[in-house]
Amino acid sequence: DAGVTQSPTHLIKTRGQQVTLRCSPKSGHDTVSWYQQALGQGPQFIFQYYEEEERQRGNFPDRFSGHQFPNYSSELNVNALLLGDSALYLCASSLPTGTDTQYFGPGTRLTVL
Amino acid sequence: DAKTTQPNSMESNEEEPVHLPCNHSTISGTDYIHWYRQLPSQGPEYVIHGLTSNVNNRMASLAIAEDRKSSTLILHRATLRDAAVYYCILRDVGGGADGLTFGKGTHLIIQP
Repeated sequence: DAGVTQSPTHLIKTRGQQVTLRCSPKSGHDTVSWYQQALGQGPQFIFQYYEEEERQRGNFPDRFSGHQFPNYSSELNVNALLLGDSALYLCASSLPTGTDTQYFGPGTRLTVL
Repeated sequence: DAKTTQPNSMESNEEEPVHLPCNHSTISGTDYIHWYRQLPSQGPEYVIHGLTSNVNNRMASLAIAEDRKSSTLILHRATLRDAAVYYCILRDVGGGADGLTFGKGTHLIIQP
């Protein structure tokens, strides 16, 4: 049973560019959450997708957007990249109820130059 | 989610038990206590969770204070593979749409 997969593993972009990160959830999971983890910090919640809709959003600007496909996979898009967007981006999948475990992927390391 | 407080780092020896504390004095009656850990260069992974009673699984035990204002994650026999950052997180039972609120966690160092 494949776990959560993310692509690409690493990515280098320059300021002002746009980036798309991809996530495939664990088999049987229909809910995908995205997190940003800066160096030395805990992950910060960006948003969650369920039934192809954004269900909840953390404190992130509109430059961060997402999408969920009918097969439950998801994309995270970041526009107008800033140096401060350099981080590890983590995807987690789960079932939609309150106490269900979130299963994390290995992350995508984004570097903005 | 209510706030939790953990020590920045702890050190232990291999094959000895490890007790990782977490304070959550403002916990509500519907908050579950979750523990995740993050091994180097990996995403976080679930360890254990509980509401009121102590819990055991193959990875660890969770001891919850009677007033629920603190809890302790217990690794019964630490190995070098247990070196990681451990996060204590409160999650409301109705918070399905809410992301996990991570603090800085406790960096556990295991000495051989």
